[in-house]
Amino acid sequence: EPEVTQTPSHQVTQMGQEVILRCVPISNHLYFYWYRQILGQKVEFLVSFYNNEISEKSEIFDDQFSVERPDGSNFTLKIRSTKLEDSAMYFCASNPGQVPTGYTFGSGTRLTVV
Amino acid sequence: GQQVMQIPQYQHVQEGEDFTTYCNSSTTLSNIQWYKQRPGGHPVFLIQLVKSGEVKKQKRLTFQFGEAKKNSSLHITATQTTDVGTYFCAGPLGGGADGLTFGKGTHLIIQP
Repeated sequence: EPEVTQTPSHQVTQMGQEVILRCVPISNHLYFYWYRQILGQKVEFLVSFYNNEISEKSEIFDDQFSVERPDGSNFTLKIRSTKLEDSAMYFCASNPGQVPTGYTFGSGTRLTVV
Repeated sequence: GQQVMQIPQYQHVQEGEDFTTYCNSSTTLSNIQWYKQRPGGHPVFLIQLVKSGEVKKQKRLTFQFGEAKKNSSLHITATQTTDVGTYFCAGPLGGGADGLTFGKGTHLIIQP
């Protein structure tokens, strides 16, 4: 079964440093997403991406965040200057997009800001 | 903004007992989705409900979508240890394939 692949599985960074989280969505999917989940809490929408541009973003997705699809397969989330409160599990997801259907999530990157 | 509320937050059951989690939205939903997240894992899509009053079954799992399309439930019959995890409902933020608003989830804990 096709998978969404995320790397790294765990990233530790110092406060103020930039991090890039990487995702390879399912190849024939058209919509890509980033979500985050603070430990023990609900999954929160960050941003959706379609046709090489941001489709929608949440209040969490401020100027410190950016997304990019640098080539035909990778989809990245960059956090410019990490804060302690950015520590969370970050999930990439993709969706075929033609009709509403379930989202396929990657296994996540656990980001720890120290 | 749209809110999706889910109860209970935690549910302890004995293995073999039934389990139900309830989801309510502040607005009418075009569809509702259910996900399961095992401890330490990622959300895994279970099902999508689209029609008013829809009922769908997957083996021991029964999903319902309310007539007003503002509430939903997931019922598990005769729980097994493999059912352990957190069950989330999620509604679309907007139309098309926009992102999802998740409920806080119900943590199912099963005592053998």
